[in-house]
Amino acid sequence: QKEVEQNSGPLSVPEGAIASLNCTYSDRGSQSFFWYRQYSGKSPELIMFIYSNGDKEDGRFTAQLNKASQYVSLLIRDSQPSDSATYLCAVASSGNTPLVFGKGTRLSVIA
Amino acid sequence: GAGVSQSPSNKVTEKGKDVELRCDPISGHTALYWYRQSLGQGLEFLIYFQGNSAPDKSGLPSDRFSAERTGGSVSTLTIQRTQQEDSAVYLCASRKTSGAPYNEQFFGPGTRLTVL
Repeated sequence: QKEVEQNSGPLSVPEGAIASLNCTYSDRGSQSFFWYRQYSGKSPELIMFIYSNGDKEDGRFTAQLNKASQYVSLLIRDSQPSDSATYLCAVASSGNTPLVFGKGTRLSVIA
Repeated sequence: GAGVSQSPSNKVTEKGKDVELRCDPISGHTALYWYRQSLGQGLEFLIYFQGNSAPDKSGLPSDRFSAERTGGSVSTLTIQRTQQEDSAVYLCASRKTSGAPYNEQFFGPGTRLTVL
């Protein structure tokens, strides 16, 4: 059974701080890693993807991947109240296999 | 361009009735996925289509659930004899299958199903 684990939170950070969201996965053969943001009552929205070990930066977001430790994280710099949402980690094996999602971490950015 | 669309946005039905949920993927996306999300839960995979065929139906929870896709485009998820535990948001996602190792999935707005 392929599993993706996330701390459910809530993770509360003050406005302007760095929010760090973490995810571990069980399938060592996983190839692709995604972070989705989901606002309450809305569908998931892709914000970052990463395929290779190391860091990938996009604006205020940085995804970090460590395949040896089966660990992927998302850092949000200069957190804003509008970043308050649930962040879903998703993992895929190669090919067309469906994404396996974690249950999400709820982030609350306090103004 | 247009994103993934789903209809209806909300569906309230009585226990025992059949329902059909529709998904219209992004044009040119050959892969289509159905997920469901119960309150406070993560996304649960239901079925995957590549073109009109479904190589992975492993997530369908019972034989009351079925899905089809025609013309490599629109997909319909059918739930027969609905039960209260079927209440959830049903999400459809599509992705293109050329290019990167695994292209990202784009989600539709979902159909909120309530079974009374």
